[in-house]
Amino acid sequence: NAGVTQTPKFRILKIGQSMTLQCTQDMNHNYMYWYRQDPGMGLKLIYYSVGAGITDKGEVPNGYNVSRSTTEDFPLRLELAAPSQTSVYFCASAASDKGTDTQYFGPGTRLTVL
Amino acid sequence: DAKTTQPNSMESNEEEPVHLPCNHSTISGTDYIHWYRQLPSQGPEYVIHGLTSNVNNRMASLAIAEDRKSSTLILHRATLRDAAVYYCILYGGTSYGKLTFGQGTILTVHP
Repeated sequence: NAGVTQTPKFRILKIGQSMTLQCTQDMNHNYMYWYRQDPGMGLKLIYYSVGAGITDKGEVPNGYNVSRSTTEDFPLRLELAAPSQTSVYFCASAASDKGTDTQYFGPGTRLTVL
Repeated sequence: DAKTTQPNSMESNEEEPVHLPCNHSTISGTDYIHWYRQLPSQGPEYVIHGLTSNVNNRMASLAIAEDRKSSTLILHRATLRDAAVYYCILYGGTSYGKLTFGQGTILTVHP
């Protein structure tokens, strides 16, 4: 199993450009998450999904959009990139929301907006 | 969301035990105590979790206070590879599938 994979690893955007961060998991997990991590800080939840076709906002959703058309994929869309979106983005997945389950994280995408 | 409190940083020497504390005085009866760690330039990885009883796995041990208001992650013999940020997170009961990361404890391991 590859687990959770993310592409690209690095990206530099100009202000106002848009892009999609890709996330794929091969564990047949229903739950998927997008987090961002600013320097020296903990992760903050952007969006999450409890299954195909179902998404919901997390703590910091402004400036982002998501979709979940398949169990495996959970892309994150940035429209009109701003310098405040410079961050490292992590995707994660879990089998359920039960306390006995754990989240599996991808390696991250480092995004710089100039 | 139930909150946790951890020291900002701790230091250890290689091959010595490390005890990382976490306070969670507002924990609910259905919250599990999870620990994740984040190595430099990597995504977080799961370490261990427990509900009421102490837990052991190949990576670490988790000691949970009887009143569940605090817990301690124990690395029995720290290695240089254990240098990371360690996060104590309450998960399950009142978190509805969402992990809430604080700033964690930065563990430095000296050779």
